[in-house]
Amino acid sequence: DTEVTQTPKHLVMGMTNKKSLKCEQHMGHRAMYWYKQKAKKPPELMFVYSYEKLSINESVPSRFSPECPNSSLLNLHLHALQPEDSALYLCASSRQGLRTEAFFGQGTRLTVV
Amino acid sequence: DAKTTQPPSMDCAEGRAANLPCNHSTISGNEYVYWYRQIHSQGPQYIIHGLKNNETNEMASLIITEDRKSSTLILPHATLRDTAVYYCIVPLGAGGFKTIFGAGTRLFVKA
Repeated sequence: DTEVTQTPKHLVMGMTNKKSLKCEQHMGHRAMYWYKQKAKKPPELMFVYSYEKLSINESVPSRFSPECPNSSLLNLHLHALQPEDSALYLCASSRQGLRTEAFFGQGTRLTVV
Repeated sequence: DAKTTQPPSMDCAEGRAANLPCNHSTISGNEYVYWYRQIHSQGPQYIIHGLKNNETNEMASLIITEDRKSSTLILPHATLRDTAVYYCIVPLGAGGFKTIFGAGTRLFVKA
């Protein structure tokens, strides 16, 4: 199984809502990532987890809250988002080390209204 | 930390080789070069990576210059399905976890 599965595929939420994005992989990878991608732009790194611990936070606003409950699962909790947070949110995973490629999910397309 | 420079767009005729260049002149000795591509509305897909030797897999070949300051991704027989944005990346940070995407090269394969 070389898949990274993201749910839901599409999400519409109001600015006062709380929602969560979910990412799952069963490749035994111990590094997991969240990226945000706006239309016609490259993906932007948000968070990196290594062995279920947050190792990189690219100065992401606190309305985005990541969580890694176990080695296979990564969540992104959303609260009080703004319309400009509408984007494609991508999850990825990789093995540890310098020689490892990342596997990406198909993303969750988020619209904030 | 190495950064990469790629042309914004390229065209290629179907069936011909597509050669996508990347400049990474500040790369250090133990940093790898990775290539990913992103087909419209899909997640990025890993293609190939290398350190200093040329590499080949079922998708592509990677040619890295001897001084490691640049590399070329070669798709030997491009098809319409290879139309995508191609990203050349040198992962940053301890452990190489910071995979930062630049603007990439938009490759158009034309019939």
